[in-house]
This record gives sequence, structure tokens and C-alpha cells, in this order.
Amino acid sequence: QVQLVQSGAEVKKPGASVKVSCKASGYTFTAYYMHWVRQAPGQGLEWMGRINPNSGGTNYAQKFQGWVTMTTDTSISTAYMELSNLKSDDTAVYYCARAENAFDIWGQGTMVTVSS
Amino acid sequence: DIQMTQSPSSLSASVGDRVTITCRASQNINIYLYWYQQKPGKAPKLLIYAATTLQSGVPSRFSGSGSGTDFTLTISSLQPEDFATYYCQQSYTSPRTFGQGTKVEI
Repeated sequence: QVQLVQSGAEVKKPGASVKVSCKASGYTFTAYYMHWVRQAPGQGLEWMGRINPNSGGTNYAQKFQGWVTMTTDTSISTAYMELSNLKSDDTAVYYCARAENAFDIWGQGTMVTVSS
Repeated sequence: DIQMTQSPSSLSASVGDRVTITCRASQNINIYLYWYQQKPGKAPKLLIYAATTLQSGVPSRFSGSGSGTDFTLTISSLQPEDFATYYCQQSYTSPRTFGQGTKVEI
């Protein structure tokens, strides 16, 4: 079946970087954009950006420009989201989501905790 | 950026109730409006796309309406498994933006 499986929880110190992976299966990976959405504890959903696996082209939310990098490895149908210079308020669950327009398939989420 | 405003932020309801959640966009988004359900500790789940179309597998008690700037999600008869947080989201333009969520509680 169509699914996205993300990497496991991470604990990082302030100033570090984190790289979350999202492995797709059950569909043609290059046919859909991959988006990243995060959710801080008890908060709503925040769109971070998207990547076109076919071209590698990216669009980032202005807030994240300069410190997020989204990439893909089409040979293994996997998308990556790397966030640098982490701060405590980057503590959140990070989701990948497939989308043409609607986010119809979501990963299970990856908890990233930033703490000294 | 397009702002999405949901109301109410939370509501209390009982099994069998008819529940209506509204979502207003800060500018015209045509029908590029989606509704998601999220339960604690889980990823969001797509319920409605293109403002009114039910996603495959979603019970028919869920329905969506609206276009332009004003949209509505209706649950015709609330079931125990419907207690969750609901989000609207627009894809008319980038950045994609979500409403702040509506928590449906007993």
C-alpha cells in the first residue's frame, strides 16, 4: 500500500543540525511533490516547504529559508529534510506528506527534541 | 501569505450531534481548500479535498461546502471516533497555510 515511513526520534543540542528521512513506497516517487510540515507540542500545523523529486526543485516557507534543506534520493524513493542551527523552539513533530494539491498521504511523524 | 481562520477554536458536543466548523480565508482561494482530522499522537488524515469532495474511505457523515473565502465542514451525526482536532488548509498559493485548528470534545 501507499505509505511514507519516517526515521526515528532525535534529541539534539541547540546549534546542532538534524536530518529526517521519509521513505516512500507503493507509488511512483517522482510523480508527487513531497512536503514537510511541523507541529510543536500542543500547537497547530506549520508548512515548511516542498520538493519536486523529479527535478529537485524546492520551495521553502520564508521563515525557514536559509536554514532548511530538502533533498531526495530517487534511487531509494526517499526524501530528506535537514534543519540547521536548532533552537529549543524547533522542538516539534516533523511530518512528510505527499501532495499534488491535498496532503493525501502522511508519514507517521518524527519527534525532534532540542535540549541542552 | 493567506491567513486561514477557523471558528470555533474548540467545541463541546455529544454523540449524534450535528457539528459545523467554519474556515475563512483572507483572500479568494477558489476551491483550493482541504480539511484534515488529527487525533492525539497521530498524523493528520485528509477528509475533504477541493472544498466539497469526500476523500475515499471517509464516512459520508462528513461534508464540506463553500468557495472563495468561506468554507464549512459539517459532521451530520457525531460519532465517538470523531472526537479530534480538525484543520483547514489552502493550496491556492504558496506558502500553504493551515487554520489554527478546531478541537471537538465531549
